[in-house]
Amino acid sequence: GAVVSQHPSWVICKSGTSVKIECRSLDFQATTMFWYRQFPKQSLMLMATSNEGSKATYEQGVEKDKFLINHASLTLSTLTVTSAHPEDSSFYICSAREVGYTFGSGTRLTVV
Amino acid sequence: QKEVEQNSGPLSVPEGAIASLNCTYSDRGSQSFFWYRQYSGKSPELIMSIYSNGDKEDGRFTAQLNKASQYVSLLIRDSQPSDSATYLCAVNNFNKFYFGSGTKLNVKP
Repeated sequence: GAVVSQHPSWVICKSGTSVKIECRSLDFQATTMFWYRQFPKQSLMLMATSNEGSKATYEQGVEKDKFLINHASLTLSTLTVTSAHPEDSSFYICSAREVGYTFGSGTRLTVV
Repeated sequence: QKEVEQNSGPLSVPEGAIASLNCTYSDRGSQSFFWYRQYSGKSPELIMSIYSNGDKEDGRFTAQLNKASQYVSLLIRDSQPSDSATYLCAVNNFNKFYFGSGTKLNVKP
């Protein structure tokens, strides 16, 4: 079936650096991608919705200049965490509407 | 008030029993409802979706929706130890997803 592939599965970076997370749709075209964040023992919180070829829509409280989302093609959406800090350490997950809202495998980000 | 409420558990059931997971939501305009299973450190896995009042069955899983009561439930029959995970209820309203905090299920052999 249709799959959303997410990379990397885990990343450790130094405070102040930027990290890019990729979400690719395999064998289908994803017009809409959702990006979520999940802190330990908490539920998923929607960060932003990205539509192919247009600017992402961010949820209240999410800094759009810090979490840069690019959805330039129908098969790739990226989330860049800029100037990462330890409080950005979390599990980041993407989801595509076209596949029944199934999720990518997630990226565990640890900022040290 | 949270959009989606779930009992955090843990809910413990013996192997072979029926596990019943419940969820309430606050927005009456919500249109679709989902149950996900999440193992520790992994991404959520879609189990079932339900859109209209009543029951929907898929194998050992039955989702129940009661829009008047704003209530969604998931029944797992013949529970197996491999069903031990956190179950997330999600509500979709105009393409915005709201997740409950999840119920941790332990199925004891």
